[in-house]
Amino acid sequence: EAGVAQSPRYKIIEKRQSVAFWCNPISGHATLYWYQQILGQGPKLLIQFQNNGVVDDSQLPKDRFSAERLKGVDSTLKIQPAKLEDSAVYLCASSPGGRDQPQHFGDGTRLSIL
Amino acid sequence: GESVGLHLPTLSVQEGDNSIINCAYSNSASDYFIWYKQESGKGPQFIIDIRSNMDKRQGQRVTVLLNKTVKHLSLQIAATQPGDSAVYFCAERGTGGFKTIFGAGTRLFVKA
Repeated sequence: EAGVAQSPRYKIIEKRQSVAFWCNPISGHATLYWYQQILGQGPKLLIQFQNNGVVDDSQLPKDRFSAERLKGVDSTLKIQPAKLEDSAVYLCASSPGGRDQPQHFGDGTRLSIL
Repeated sequence: GESVGLHLPTLSVQEGDNSIINCAYSNSASDYFIWYKQESGKGPQFIIDIRSNMDKRQGQRVTVLLNKTVKHLSLQIAATQPGDSAVYFCAERGTGGFKTIFGAGTRLFVKA
């Protein structure tokens, strides 16, 4: 089966600019996750969708970050405006939707803020 | 609060030896644990998982041990190979929901 697809792979922007990331999960996976991974750290959950509804967005900085999953398939994560501390790899993952099931990750988008 | 930590940030082993990567967790309500492997420039890759009603689970060359008494998790890799060089993360999920919390990771170096 095809894996989780993410684009772009790399993005360089200046602070205060906007940026958007796209994710296409594994076909049929109901649950979709966005994580932020700062260099040298483990992934931190930003938002979790079940189909097109939000399950958990408690760690999403809502003043600048937004995410949507229209039609319960693809998802986009946006940052507006970006800050220097947003430099990180943004990972998308998906899982079938059952409770005790591992997540399948894409290779992420590496974001650098100048 | 919830947290997942690792005892050692780096581990260096000789090719062919067995590796043991340790992880401590603090949330006694966690009931599902996962080990992931992350190679440079790639996303985490699922290795093996274990539910809290088990204390051991084996896969191909890997074994996960869970000690709920001391809230400790370990990943054993048999006959470590150069391709095993990566960062390994343990992760936990609590009974209250689906949120997965990752630890900081252990970097495994395999010497030829």
